[in-house]
Amino acid sequence: AQSVSQHNHHVILSEAASLELGCNYSYGGTVNLFWYVQYPGQHLQLLLKYFSGDPLVKGIKGFEAEFIKSKFSFNLRKPSVQWSDTAEYFCAVKPMDSSYKLIFGSGTRLLVRP
Amino acid sequence: SAVISQKPSRDICQRGTSLTIQCQVDSQVTMMFWYRQQPGQSLTLIATANQGSEATYESGFVIDKFPISRPNLTFSTLTVSNMSPEDSSIYLCSVGGGQAQHFGDGTRLSIL
Repeated sequence: AQSVSQHNHHVILSEAASLELGCNYSYGGTVNLFWYVQYPGQHLQLLLKYFSGDPLVKGIKGFEAEFIKSKFSFNLRKPSVQWSDTAEYFCAVKPMDSSYKLIFGSGTRLLVRP
Repeated sequence: SAVISQKPSRDICQRGTSLTIQCQVDSQVTMMFWYRQQPGQSLTLIATANQGSEATYESGFVIDKFPISRPNLTFSTLTVSNMSPEDSSIYLCSVGGGQAQHFGDGTRLSIL
């Protein structure tokens, strides 16, 4: 069955630390990849997406993600986190043979200490 | 991106009752989706609702339990029927298709 794994359920960092959140998926075909963020009390927002082309994609607020096809991974990175990055982050995959179905990872709660 | 409004934002219900959640979008959209996020878990697609056709349900979800209406291109409802404590979740409406999907604020539902 298709699945998305986020390895870190909770991450605690100090401001200015670097961030990398892991995401792996199990699907052998073509996929679209997404990272969503949910700030406390707010709705899910799209952080960045990968459809094709350059495997290093840049999103909002200084986030970027790299698609490594051979590793079925789409890890999220930010060089220097801020307190305002405290949120829950969800990786999602859309297999290209599905009817627009998004498969979500279990999410990673990030706490950035000032 | 589209602005998605859900009502109610939260509710506490008695077991055995039903609740209808409304989703209003500020623009016409072809595809609308309903997701569930159970406590501590990921988002799971319940069904896809296209205007003018029956909703398509994912494995493990049935129309009798989660009837969906899609009367026009800006509105949809999801009913959670005969609720039990296991239905305590956040229910989210989403729109979008080939590009990214966008989400409403969700409805936090607790069943006593």
